[in-house]
Amino acid sequence: AQRVTQPEKLLSVFKGAPVELKCNYSYSGSPELFWYVQYSRQRLQLLLRHISRESIKGFTADLNKGETSFHLKKPFAQEEDSAMYYCALRGAGSYQLTFGKGTKLSVIP
Amino acid sequence: GAVVSQHPSWVICKSGTSVKIECRSLDFQATTMFWYRQFPKQSLMLMATSNEGSKATYEQGVEKDKFLINHASLTLSTLTVTSAHPEDSSFYICSASSNREQFFGPGTRLTVL
Repeated sequence: AQRVTQPEKLLSVFKGAPVELKCNYSYSGSPELFWYVQYSRQRLQLLLRHISRESIKGFTADLNKGETSFHLKKPFAQEEDSAMYYCALRGAGSYQLTFGKGTKLSVIP
Repeated sequence: GAVVSQHPSWVICKSGTSVKIECRSLDFQATTMFWYRQFPKQSLMLMATSNEGSKATYEQGVEKDKFLINHASLTLSTLTVTSAHPEDSSFYICSASSNREQFFGPGTRLTVL
C-alpha cells in the first residue's frame, strides 16, 4: 500500500526565514512525487514534481529514496507563500494520486 | 493552461434528495477524471476513477450505489449523490487527467440538512 505522511498540520515562519515542509512516503516501487498548493479560496494546483527537478516560486524539493522523503524547501519565505501544501505520490504506470493530509503554511509579516 | 470547472459551486439540499455535480474539462479532452472528497481540515480522499465510456472504479469503502458516476463524454463527468444524508455533507472535488497530469476543479460544497 502506498502512503504519504506530512507530519506537520501547521507551520508558521516569519517572512524571510527558511521554510521546509516535510513529506515522507511509503511505496514499494519507484514513485512519482508531487507538491500541490492551495491558496485561500482557490483550487488545488500543481507546484512542482520531482521529475522536473525545477524551482517554482523559489521552492525546490529533492526526492531522497534512502529516506523516502520529498521535503519542500524555500530559502526565504514570502507572505504570498501562505497556503495549504499537499504532498502527493503516484505509483508507476498509474494515473491515481495519493495525497498527504496537508500542511498549512503561515508566513508572518 | 488546462481548466476544469465544477457546477454547482455549492448546494444545500434536504435529506433524502439526490444531488448531481458536474465536472467539465473546458479546453482539453480527459479520458480519465477523478472524484475526491475532502472533509474539513483533512486531505483529499479519492472516491472513484471515472473513465469515459466505461464504468467507474470505486475506492474501497465508497458505495457505488450511493455515489453514481457517469462519464458520458471526454469533457464531462457527473457525480450524483443519491438519497443524501447529513453525513454526506462535504467538499467534493473533481480532477481531469491530460497526459497523466491532473487538473483540479474548484470543488463543490454540499450541505445536506
